[in-house]
Amino acid sequence: DQQVKQNSPSLSVQEGRISILNCDYTNSMFDYFLWYKKYPAEGPTFLISISSIKDKNEDGRFTVFLNKSAKHLSLHIVPSQPGDSAVYFCAASAPDDKIIFGKGTRLHILP
Amino acid sequence: KAGVTQTPRYLIKTRGQQVTLSCSPISGHRSVSWYQQTPGQGLQFLFEYFSETQRNKGNFPGRFSGRQFSNSRSEMNVSTLELGDSALYLCASSLNPAGTYNEQFFGPGTRLTVL
Repeated sequence: DQQVKQNSPSLSVQEGRISILNCDYTNSMFDYFLWYKKYPAEGPTFLISISSIKDKNEDGRFTVFLNKSAKHLSLHIVPSQPGDSAVYFCAASAPDDKIIFGKGTRLHILP
Repeated sequence: KAGVTQTPRYLIKTRGQQVTLSCSPISGHRSVSWYQQTPGQGLQFLFEYFSETQRNKGNFPGRFSGRQFSNSRSEMNVSTLELGDSALYLCASSLNPAGTYNEQFFGPGTRLTVL
């Protein structure tokens, strides 16, 4: 059973526009959510996180929104840049439990 | 500060063999987690060690095992390799255990190919 779902395997966005990556989860015990970015032949790198007591967290061009009632979170990248082309993983954890990752969304930034 | 290092970076084995992968966490980090990444499957959790104790384990067969040493370095062992074990194995370290509001830092991974 997939507790963290990223339903879009890929997404293409024009450079300079907003990229919105979505993630759904099923476990209501999750209280900490993270986004990672991965380039080929490298390990994932941490981007941004949010705890369940918040509904928004911002860091530069990256903003994560959490909708607990819908069990949904999204990552907004504004403006999108060529270097943002990568695979993005959504992840979540319950207190004192392992971090569970989604299958990833490949983001293509078009010139 | 040096990042997470994993050795070897690439490995080719044949079915039935066993393999040991190594991970050195960021200095001061006591939690090490292992993940398997295969195409289309994302990162699947194998296990987590904190202060030499296994805290959590994923849904993998007993052929997959690990351990952590007193210096926080960790090893993962896979015995009786199968073709389906071909994957990128990622190690991640964090200051505190997973599930305690801290992010993990990943190494570059070990690419294992089983022939």
